[in-house]
Amino acid sequence: GESVGLHLPTLSVQEGDNSIINCAYSNSASDYFIWYKQESGKGPQFIIDIRSNMDKRQGQRVTVLLNKTVKHLSLQIAATQPGDSAVYFCAENIQNSGYALNFGKGTSLLVTP
Amino acid sequence: EAGVAQSPRYKIIEKRQSVAFWCNPISGHATLYWYQQILGQGPKLLIQFQNNGVVDDSQLPKDRFSAERLKGVDSTLKIQPAKLEDSAVYLCASSLGVSNLKNIQYFGAGTRLSVL
Repeated sequence: GESVGLHLPTLSVQEGDNSIINCAYSNSASDYFIWYKQESGKGPQFIIDIRSNMDKRQGQRVTVLLNKTVKHLSLQIAATQPGDSAVYFCAENIQNSGYALNFGKGTSLLVTP
Repeated sequence: EAGVAQSPRYKIIEKRQSVAFWCNPISGHATLYWYQQILGQGPKLLIQFQNNGVVDDSQLPKDRFSAERLKGVDSTLKIQPAKLEDSAVYLCASSLGVSNLKNIQYFGAGTRLSVL
């Protein structure tokens, strides 16, 4: 089965609201996580990453939270803008498995005016 | 800094034909990856190179897929013969790959393959 999954396939938010995209993982050996944004016709674009020895990391308008107890990851986007509309993927790297990432199915975020 | 370059952007072939994709990674990136992304799904790793050596090709359908990175820079991915289920976007990514501490992979725009 797939190790990384997302709770909701689609998410619709109003412009200016905060967005929260969730991700569950099942492999306790996962030690590094990345969030990617993919717009139509483009490759995934790096947003933010977090290592398993941290529980929170902040970027510009984005925050990633990691709860290792329940194997849950979330991406928070503040003041969501129309340009944030895209598919968001979380990906995990399993310790000592090399550098390849295991991607989940993705959540489609739609920002409405 | 130039990103990951891929060509062609689109390719349409008939089943049982052959096709090849090309990737030029970010300069200085030792690790190169090929992923397959089927519509509505996340990317799935096909093969990973470290310089010109294969690190992981466990998910590559070796009866029809092959890839090489002869000089440790550019890479080609080939499908021969193609099947209908190979219709997907083929993404190339690269990373510094010098340690497991921070492995940000940067992706190209991909090649969209349609097999008819």
